[in-house]
Amino acid sequence: DQQVKQNSPSLSVQEGRISILNCDYTNSMFDYFLWYKKYPAEGPTFLISISSIKDKNEDGRFTVFLNKSAKHLSLHIVPSQPGDSAVYFCAASAFGNQFYFGTGTSLTVIP
Amino acid sequence: DSGVTQTPKHLITATGQRVTLRCSPRSGDLSVYWYQQSLDQGLQFLIQYYNGEERAKGNILERFSAQQFPDLHSELNLSSLELGDSALYFCASSTLANGGSEAFFGQGTRLTVV
Repeated sequence: DQQVKQNSPSLSVQEGRISILNCDYTNSMFDYFLWYKKYPAEGPTFLISISSIKDKNEDGRFTVFLNKSAKHLSLHIVPSQPGDSAVYFCAASAFGNQFYFGTGTSLTVIP
Repeated sequence: DSGVTQTPKHLITATGQRVTLRCSPRSGDLSVYWYQQSLDQGLQFLIQYYNGEERAKGNILERFSAQQFPDLHSELNLSSLELGDSALYFCASSTLANGGSEAFFGQGTRLTVV
């Protein structure tokens, strides 16, 4: 049973525009959410996180939004750059236990 | 560089064999996680150790086992290997067992079973 879902396998965006990556989860006990970026043949790299006590966290061009009632989080990248092209995974955990990952969204930023 | 070291980077072995994957966590991290990524799949959680003790278990096969040693490095043992075990195996580490901490990943071990 997939507790974290990323329903869009891929996304293409023009350079300079906004990229919005979405993630849904089913377990209401999740209290910590993360986004990872992964290039081919490399391990996932931590990007940004948000605790369930917040609804928004911002770090430079990256903002994560959390809607607990909808069990939905999103990652906004503004402005998008070609170097942002990668696979993005969202992940969630409860009480410091294992992280559950989505299946990833492949983002392509077109120059 | 995440600070998490995995060896070897690549491993090719035959069906029925046994292999050991090694992970050295970031300095100071007490939690170690193992994940499997098969082709076109997401990251499947296998097992978590915290300060030497097993903390959480995911979809880990009985043919697979892991342990975390007193120096906090961890090993994942895969035995009676099958073709379907071919995958990228990632190790990650984090500081805390009780939430609020991101996990940092190693570069993975690519296992090919022939």
